[in-house]
Amino acid sequence: AQSVTQLDSHVSVSEGTPVLLRCNYSSSYSPSLFWYVQHPNKGLQLLLKYTSAATLVKGINGFEAEFKKSETSFHLTKPSAHMSDAAEYFCVVSDPDYGGSQGNLIFGKGTKLSVKP
Amino acid sequence: NAGVTQTPKFQVLKTGQSMTLQCAQDMNHNSMYWYRQDPGMGLRLIYYSASEGTTDKGEVPNGYNVSRLNKREFSLRLESAAPSQTSVYFCASRTQRGAHEQYFGPGTRLTVT
Repeated sequence: AQSVTQLDSHVSVSEGTPVLLRCNYSSSYSPSLFWYVQHPNKGLQLLLKYTSAATLVKGINGFEAEFKKSETSFHLTKPSAHMSDAAEYFCVVSDPDYGGSQGNLIFGKGTKLSVKP
Repeated sequence: NAGVTQTPKFQVLKTGQSMTLQCAQDMNHNSMYWYRQDPGMGLRLIYYSASEGTTDKGEVPNGYNVSRLNKREFSLRLESAAPSQTSVYFCASRTQRGAHEQYFGPGTRLTVT
């Protein structure tokens, strides 16, 4: 069965320093992987997606993620944090053949990113 | 583009009351979803509809019913609300192409007292 583990429930960084949010997945198939961001009291916004075209995926707002099959990881990074990056981030896997539920998403429990001035 | 819209934004119910959460999308997507979000739990799938006229249970369907009214609209009904259904509810729709990413509405914050 597929699953997603976000290794940190809370990450705190200073403005201008790098961001690393860690995610490991398990899937029996070649998954699609996503990162979504949720600002306080808002809906979820797609940051980036991996579909096997390239292992390094660039997203919006300077974020990127690298798919590493050998490590079953899909960590999210950003070179320099901005105050507006403070939000909750969700790593998500879509397993196309999961139980016949085509395209259903499995969410990690989320990582709350705090950015200090 | 409106994308995915949800009504209402907030609702307070008493135990045993019923209500329907409305969702509509204008992206011509076939698949639509209802999730609930609870602190520390991520999002959990309640029901989904792969196409107009079909619905299926997700991870946590108990206490809910859904209706896929047409291609645009997918409603979630609580027949007899319970305090355990206090949550934030999100509707989403999914592209048919590429990575099949889902697009989310702004959410409905429901409190059951």
